[in-house]
Amino acid sequence: GAGVSQTPSNKVTEKGKYVELRCDPISGHTALYWYRQSLGQGPEFLIYFQGTGAADDSGLPNDRFFAVRPEGSVSTLKIQRTERGDSAVYLCASSLGVQETQYFGPGTRLLVL
Amino acid sequence: DQQVKQNSPSLSVQEGRISILNCDYTNSMFDYFLWYKKYPAEGPTFLISISSIKDKNEDGRFTVFLNKSAKHLSLHIVPSQPGDSAVYFCAASAASGTYKYIFGTGTRLKVLA
Repeated sequence: GAGVSQTPSNKVTEKGKYVELRCDPISGHTALYWYRQSLGQGPEFLIYFQGTGAADDSGLPNDRFFAVRPEGSVSTLKIQRTERGDSAVYLCASSLGVQETQYFGPGTRLLVL
Repeated sequence: DQQVKQNSPSLSVQEGRISILNCDYTNSMFDYFLWYKKYPAEGPTFLISISSIKDKNEDGRFTVFLNKSAKHLSLHIVPSQPGDSAVYFCAASAASGTYKYIFGTGTRLKVLA
């Protein structure tokens, strides 16, 4: 079956701009997660959705970052007033339920110039 | 403060031999551990996991060993194949936040033909 998909695969933007990153989870997966992976590091947790609600957004670095999942399926990670330090690979994962193994998408590589 | 550590950034192994990747953790609340494999430009792919109630879990060529007293786990790949060349991430989670995976920085494995 289809895995987690993320669009775009690459995004280049200028400092100060707004970006949206999209995640399509595996069909039927109720839990969805966003992680960020900086160069030379492992993925770092950002936010977790159970259904439509953000159950834990403690990993979001500041209020420039926001994520939604309005219908309990597709999620969008939104970054306002981007900074060069936001450059990273943004990974989305989904799981059947919160206790289940997380399956990752290919990521969106964001470069802020 | 790195709660999950992979102290070897890289490892080279001859095809057919055993690959041993190591991971240490500091948080005694961690009770679930996973290994992911990552190829360039792809997202992490789940390999194998282990719960803290076990000390070994095996799946084909992959075996994970957990030593709770030493707060150490290892992934054994036998026999190693060139297609195993990738970056391997160790991850851990605690019962209080099972969805929040804490990742190590990864070990790049190169299997030489």
